[in-house]
Amino acid sequence: DIVMTQSPLSLSVTPGEPASISCMSSQSLLHKNGYNYVDWYLQKPGQSPQLLIYLGSNRASGAPDRFSGSGSGTDFTLKISRVEAEDVGVYYCMSAAQTRTFGQGTKLEIK
Amino acid sequence: EVQLVESGGGLIQPGRSLRLSCTSSGFTFGDYVMTWVRQAPGKGLEWIGFIRSKTYGGTTEYAASVKGRFSISRDDSKSIAYLQMNSLKTEDTGVYYCNGRQSTGYWTKDYWGQGTLVTVSS
Repeated sequence: DIVMTQSPLSLSVTPGEPASISCMSSQSLLHKNGYNYVDWYLQKPGQSPQLLIYLGSNRASGAPDRFSGSGSGTDFTLKISRVEAEDVGVYYCMSAAQTRTFGQGTKLEIK
Repeated sequence: EVQLVESGGGLIQPGRSLRLSCTSSGFTFGDYVMTWVRQAPGKGLEWIGFIRSKTYGGTTEYAASVKGRFSISRDDSKSIAYLQMNSLKTEDTGVYYCNGRQSTGYWTKDYWGQGTLVTVSS
């Protein structure tokens, strides 16, 4: 099974500052079609997960444009250009290969 | 308005069976991959499995941790996805979410229910 490893597991960010979360996969998620099969989700406190980024770098409908995804193969990054108070929660990467696997989650809090 | 409503959760003894339902509305259910994800108390998300749309064979995939005990099915006529859970263990305790997703080459639509709590305890 694919293992997804996120870092850091927690981060505290001042509003208006950028933030970055790394996700490493134990196997390449780059498909022969050129797409990277990794998604990013945010689970806000007390809520269900919501899709932020799919296929590595495509922003989901409704996701603010301050969120961006990058990377290829086994190394992926979620970036928030300017953190806002509403961004608090736990961020998960997920391999979207034939079977899915979530990373451990990264908890973001506001300073 | 898109809605996914999970039901069927509750307190159940170890070794027993339980079936969860995910009743959907507001989107073309038959075109969507339906996925189940769970979250143990205070823990992260765990993917359980999914069922493809009939267009893609209606086949299923499962996590190794539940393969052979859990099964997913769908009734497109009723817009309901099911999660049949057998031989339940205490470690199956958690909130169970259903997710509906449709992807094309141009967009992805992704919807989640609010979850239903399953507590496995004697």
